[in-house]
Amino acid sequence: TQLLEQSPQFLSIQEGENLTVYCNSSSVFSSLQWYRQEPGEGPVLLVTVVTGGEVKKLKRLTFQFGDARKDSSLHITAAQPGDTGLYLCAGWMTNSGYALNFGKGTSLLVTP
Amino acid sequence: EAQVTQNPRYLITVTGKKLTVTCSQNMNHEYMSWYRQDPGLGLRQIYYSMNVEVTDKGDVPEGYKVSRKEKRNFPLILESPSPNQTSLYFCASSPPQGGYEQYFGPGTRLTVT
Repeated sequence: TQLLEQSPQFLSIQEGENLTVYCNSSSVFSSLQWYRQEPGEGPVLLVTVVTGGEVKKLKRLTFQFGDARKDSSLHITAAQPGDTGLYLCAGWMTNSGYALNFGKGTSLLVTP
Repeated sequence: EAQVTQNPRYLITVTGKKLTVTCSQNMNHEYMSWYRQDPGLGLRQIYYSMNVEVTDKGDVPEGYKVSRKEKRNFPLILESPSPNQTSLYFCASSPPQGGYEQYFGPGTRLTVT
């Protein structure tokens, strides 16, 4: 069961535009991660958020964890072609073992 | 170089022919995991292992087996592959417990005819 819903599924924008990707759930997560995946490669971690309400910035990327630790967002300012890729959110659930649940991903295309 | 390796990278097989996909990491990580990635479904966890001899089911364990006899290796076994197991498979490892960065292997593209 995929507990995390990502939106939008696809996003095509022009260089310089801003965008936000959402990751929502009705479940509470002990922490939430954002990964980026390039074609033909495995996902690579961008950030981990742990505390409800936490905001982390990574250059032009801003990540926020919801107060109730059920949702998160990724905001990209002034997108560049190098931002193109598949963005995945993933939540750690610790009620039984340590299972990692991924959203279906947001495929971002930034054109010059 | 710290890495997760998977073999083979590409595999075409027939229904019912047992196969094993190997996964090895050189980072001394306790946690290892297998995922499959399918269009429209994203990444789904198959099995994970907290440490040697400790494994647990993920979201989609049916049709798969795993073993963790050594810390560095975590093979994925398909005893009787079926076409619906055609997918892109990733192995990953991380330090103990949840919340740590998952280091992913390069992926194994499996086709079952």
